[in-house]
Amino acid sequence: GENVEQHPSTLSVQEGDSAVIKCTYSDSASNYFPWYKQELGKRPQLIIDIRSNVGEKKDQRIAVTLNKTAKHFSLHITETQPEDSAVYFCAAPNSNNNDMRFGAGTRLTVKP
Amino acid sequence: DAGVIQSPRHEVTEMGQEVTLRCKPISGHNSLFWYRQTMMRGLELLIYFNNNVPIDDSGMPEDRFSAKMPNASFSTLKIQPSEPRDSAVYFCASSLGQAQTEAFFGQGTRLTVV
Repeated sequence: GENVEQHPSTLSVQEGDSAVIKCTYSDSASNYFPWYKQELGKRPQLIIDIRSNVGEKKDQRIAVTLNKTAKHFSLHITETQPEDSAVYFCAAPNSNNNDMRFGAGTRLTVKP
Repeated sequence: DAGVIQSPRHEVTEMGQEVTLRCKPISGHNSLFWYRQTMMRGLELLIYFNNNVPIDDSGMPEDRFSAKMPNASFSTLKIQPSEPRDSAVYFCASSLGQAQTEAFFGQGTRLTVV
């Protein structure tokens, strides 16, 4: 089955700086890698995803990169703002059962 | 569509009581997931249904937990008897297709067992 490791568990940055969160996965057959943002007291919501046929995807200030050989993918947030403060989760599918496994989460704090 | 709907939003119960959590997935979605979220263990997958059939229940903690999906628009997660360590936020999520597409989460049920 899939095992998803996420680092760091907490990250604090100054407003305007960049933030990078990394995840590794174990199932080489996985081909879909989403990132979810969960604000305090709310539900996780998808912010960006990438499929294994591309190496990078951008959407304004956020980007995700994928290295299939090394089996890791990263979330990059540039020009961070206080409203980016949240817990971010990476996920990867378990190719055996097609269910979605989540990383442990990264609590990002952006200090104004 | 109103999104994934969970009820109740909050539940406080005494140890030993039966608890039933409910979920209505987004219409047309054929995959449904139940997750449990705690500070210590993060987001844990409890059970996954595809076309109303349980595909993976390896995450269900023990026999006290059971889940059903009698039709495409309704699922329940039952805990009997409940214990204080079951206190957590329980999320239901649905997706179109299997795990290769976006999962939409409900607002969650915050369960407190005293």
